[in-house]
Amino acid sequence: AQSVAQPEDQVNVAEGNPLTVKCTYSVSGNPYLFWYVQYPNRGLQFLLKYITGDNLVKGSYGFEAEFNKSQTSFHLKKPSALVSDSALYFCAVRDRGDNNDMRFGAGTRLTVKP
Amino acid sequence: GAGVSQSPSNKVTEKGKDVELRCDPISGHTALYWYRQSLGQGLEFLIYFQGNSAPDKSGLPSDRFSAERTGGSVSTLTIQRTQQEDSAVYLCASSLVAGGQETQYFGPGTRLLVL
Repeated sequence: AQSVAQPEDQVNVAEGNPLTVKCTYSVSGNPYLFWYVQYPNRGLQFLLKYITGDNLVKGSYGFEAEFNKSQTSFHLKKPSALVSDSALYFCAVRDRGDNNDMRFGAGTRLTVKP
Repeated sequence: GAGVSQSPSNKVTEKGKDVELRCDPISGHTALYWYRQSLGQGLEFLIYFQGNSAPDKSGLPSDRFSAERTGGSVSTLTIQRTQQEDSAVYLCASSLVAGGQETQYFGPGTRLLVL
């Protein structure tokens, strides 16, 4: 079965600095990979996904993520963090052979300080 | 509708009572999912509906949990004889179809507190 690891519970960055939220995955086949963001008392909002093709995926709010097959990683990045980016971020993976079994990581809380 | 809606937004109940949580998916979405998010935890898959097919109940933690989806649209998650460990945020998501690459769109969740 597929699984996702988000090794950092908490990431702190200063506003204007680049940010990275890490994600590694494990699947038996080829993955579909997703990033979601959750603001306080809200549901999850879709940010971006990797399906196929270009390893660098661009998504909402200036975020991007790079699929690295050799390292089984899909780290989320943004060149310049905003205070409003502070939220809980979830990585998710699905095996291409599955229609319904999407596994989420435990989440990483990002805090951007002014 | 414009997005996935869930009701109630908050529910406080006493241990042993039954609760019903409702989800209205995005219009036209055939796949619907329920997840549970406990404090400090990731999302735990509970159950999945696709069209008129039999639901995938593999994630339901006990037989106190059940869900139905009427008319291929609205879904209700029922928890019978609630326990304190059932306290969590229950999230519903829908997608256009079931498929590995399909994006799931989430509702705001129902925050359940069992006293």
